[in-house]
Order: sequence, then structure tokens, then C-alpha cells
Amino acid sequence: NAGVTQTPKFQVLKTGQSMTLQCAQDMNHEYMSWYRQDPGMGLRLIHYSVGAGITDQGEVPNGYNVSRSTTEDFPLRLLSAAPSQTSVYFCASSPRGGYGDTIYFGEGSWLTVV
Amino acid sequence: SQQGEEDPQALSIQEGENATMNCSYKTSINNLQWYRQNSGRGLVHLILIRSNEREKHSGRLRVTLDTSKKSSSLLITASRAADTASYFCAVPSSNTGKLIFGQGTTLQVKP
Repeated sequence: NAGVTQTPKFQVLKTGQSMTLQCAQDMNHEYMSWYRQDPGMGLRLIHYSVGAGITDQGEVPNGYNVSRSTTEDFPLRLLSAAPSQTSVYFCASSPRGGYGDTIYFGEGSWLTVV
Repeated sequence: SQQGEEDPQALSIQEGENATMNCSYKTSINNLQWYRQNSGRGLVHLILIRSNEREKHSGRLRVTLDTSKKSSSLLITASRAADTASYFCAVPSSNTGKLIFGQGTTLQVKP
């Protein structure tokens, strides 16, 4: 079991560029989500999905798009990168996403926007 | 915000000592979770305690929950250098059920 796999691990972007962070899980989890982690801010939810074809906004969705065409994959797209999007991004999944679910995290993607 | 808030923000102890971290939250919950994050890695689930439980153990970890005070504590006994990490509490949002994480306690265990 690979768990939650994120790519790339590190990325440097120029302001205005677009890119996609890939996320895949092999645990057949219905719920997937993206967080960003910034110093002093903890983890903040960007977008989440409760199943294939269903996505919703989290706490800080602006500047990001997601799609969920399959149960396994949940890519995060930065439409026009800004320095404020410099952060560490974590993809996560859980069986149902409801109360009491344990969340499984990927290893993170370090993004720098210059 | 229903965000859990950890205290202290940073903790430095010697190997063999006990480490205690606290978490406070603002609204009613039905469970609270603790996660650990090693430097440069993702978060790993440690333990979940339900609102009808007062204490839970897992190896050297002991978690308590006081719903009347809206607080939880994580105790690591006989700490080891390998316990050096950041520890986060997380509570479900009353609106969406999604987990909301605190800012974490950074624990350093000196050999």
C-alpha cells in the first residue's frame, strides 16, 4: 500500500505561471482534501471532495482549482501563481470524511513562487 | 473559530522526561484527534478520543479529554530523541465535520 502519494516534492514557480500538484491514493477512500501549511497558521483546508465528481471549497480556496474524475486522483491546480501561495501543500484522504475519520496525509509538496 | 489551540507552542526536554501538550477548543465536539509531524514530512494520526471518553492510552501516549473545560492533553512518557516532532490536535468543524487543526506544539527531546 502506497497510501497517499503527492508529486512533485519541490517546485519553484514564477509569478503568473500555472501548475498542477498531483495526488493519488490507493486506499479506496471516498474523501480527499488539500491543505496548505504556513508558519504560525497551522493547516488550512483549501478544497475537498467527498467522492468522484464532487468537490467543494474549504477555508482558503481562492487561486486554486480541483477536480475529482476518479476515486483515486485529486489534483490541485494553481491558476496564476502568486508569492502568497508559497507554502507547503498536503494532500490527504479518509474513508468517509465525516466525524471521527482518521486522515491519512501525503508527504507534502514544497512550493515557492518568486 | 473552532480551531484547536495548542499550548505550549514549543517545548524542550531531556530524554527520559515526560512531555505534556495541551489543546483547547471552542465549541462542542464528539471527538478530538492528535497528529504528529516529523520535520519535512506529512502528518501521522496518533490517537482519537471520543467525547464520552476521559482518557485513552496508546503505548507511551496518554490522552485526556475534559469536555467541561473544552480541553485535551497529550502526555508522552519516558520521551526519546525520536519523539522530536510537531504535535497537532484536530477537532471536527460543527458545520462541515471536516477536521480543523491547531497550530501545533513543537517538541524537542534532547539526547
